[in-house]
Amino acid sequence: DSGVTQTPKHLITATGQRVTLRCSPRSGDLSVYWYQQSLDQGLQFLIQYYNGEERAKGNILERFSAQQFPDLHSELNLSSLELGDSALYFCASSVDNRNTEAFFGQGTRLTVV
Amino acid sequence: AQSVTQLDSHVSVSEGTPVLLRCNYSSSYSPSLFWYVQHPNKGLQLLLKYTSAATLVKGINGFEAEFKKSETSFHLTKPSAHMSDAAEYFCVVTYAGGTSYGKLTFGQGTILTVHP
Repeated sequence: DSGVTQTPKHLITATGQRVTLRCSPRSGDLSVYWYQQSLDQGLQFLIQYYNGEERAKGNILERFSAQQFPDLHSELNLSSLELGDSALYFCASSVDNRNTEAFFGQGTRLTVV
Repeated sequence: AQSVTQLDSHVSVSEGTPVLLRCNYSSSYSPSLFWYVQHPNKGLQLLLKYTSAATLVKGINGFEAEFKKSETSFHLTKPSAHMSDAAEYFCVVTYAGGTSYGKLTFGQGTILTVHP
């Protein structure tokens, strides 16, 4: 168990809908990362937050947004969902914003039908 | 921009034989390098990390990796493969400076198959 908790584990929704994925980092970790994993794209970095502020942005679509709350949990919001958004979404956390290792949650498997 | 290349998308070995998974990174600033493993339908687990201390790094489950700056490589090895090692392995790099500061960049992954 990495200490990173993601909910829900599975999500099935229809195209055009909006969903929210939730991540609770390890106790004491200030940095949260979101990744998307799909068969054709591999692991893609989406966005990183550090202590409530956005720190780095990757290949995140405009339909997607995220935030980190004062209690350090994070949410990833996906809207106007398309079939191609079906993927495994991982959250990871690390203690700081430097080059330390990240610990990953079990992921949320999103299926858009 | 930082990048990491895993040279083999698939590696197949027999149980009890050595494992070699190859990784090269782009040379920029001071890299930290990691290997993660992902078993089917599971999250990613950290195997080992290099953060500018000893160049030979030992990880969990008998894996180790050697940081070679002259070759910009960080290959993962294990003397004797076990069936439970079958999984996908990711080489990851992050840097202490530059525009990619703190960002984890993943290689494309290497799927390891272990035959009885």
